[in-house]
Amino acid sequence: NAGVTQTPKFRVLKTGQSMTLLCAQDMNHEYMYWYRQDPGMGLRLIHYSVGEGTTAKGEVPDGYNVSRLKKQNFLLGLESAAPSQTSVYFCASSATYGTALSHEQYFGPGTRLTVT
Amino acid sequence: QQQVKQSPQSLIVQKGGISIINCAYENTAFDYFPWYQQFPGKGPALLIAIRPDVSEKKEGRFTISFNKSAKQFSLHIMDSQPGDSATYFCAASTGLTGTASKLTFGTGTRLQVTL
Repeated sequence: NAGVTQTPKFRVLKTGQSMTLLCAQDMNHEYMYWYRQDPGMGLRLIHYSVGEGTTAKGEVPDGYNVSRLKKQNFLLGLESAAPSQTSVYFCASSATYGTALSHEQYFGPGTRLTVT
Repeated sequence: QQQVKQSPQSLIVQKGGISIINCAYENTAFDYFPWYQQFPGKGPALLIAIRPDVSEKKEGRFTISFNKSAKQFSLHIMDSQPGDSATYFCAASTGLTGTASKLTFGTGTRLQVTL
């Protein structure tokens, strides 16, 4: 049981390049999330998904796109990377039902992205 | 607009001391208040959480105190240990059941516990 995994772990992009970050979870969770973490700003929600085939915008969605073609995978895309997207990206997942604490989000190890 | 304000930004505590981190929120619709712990190079992990119908929750050395009228909550780490050195994030969300838990995070507190 690997939990939440993210690939790649590190990436350096030039301005204007594109890339896709992959998140996978093996806990059969319905909900998945993408966050970015920047110094002094905590974690901010980019996009999230409440189930296969559905996505929604979070707090900072501009410049990102997502897809949830399979329940276990959640992809984050950058079509034209900008230096402002230099950050650490975290994926998380959570269950939909059960006790109040099933609200818990399980985070992956993160992807450190640098855009030059 | 930052909906969850966290302080202090950093904290140094001696081993055996009490670490206290404070958070204040603005949105009265928040109904779930977790604390996440993050070690360097790792993703955050849930430490302890509270709902607004209780004023305190304790799990081992970790306690959340919640003041609904003041819209504040805090994390207390008793008998702080070097292994507690990490970054702590408070968070808040609405919609416990049937909807996604969209967490709003504080800006984090870097705790260092010295020998």
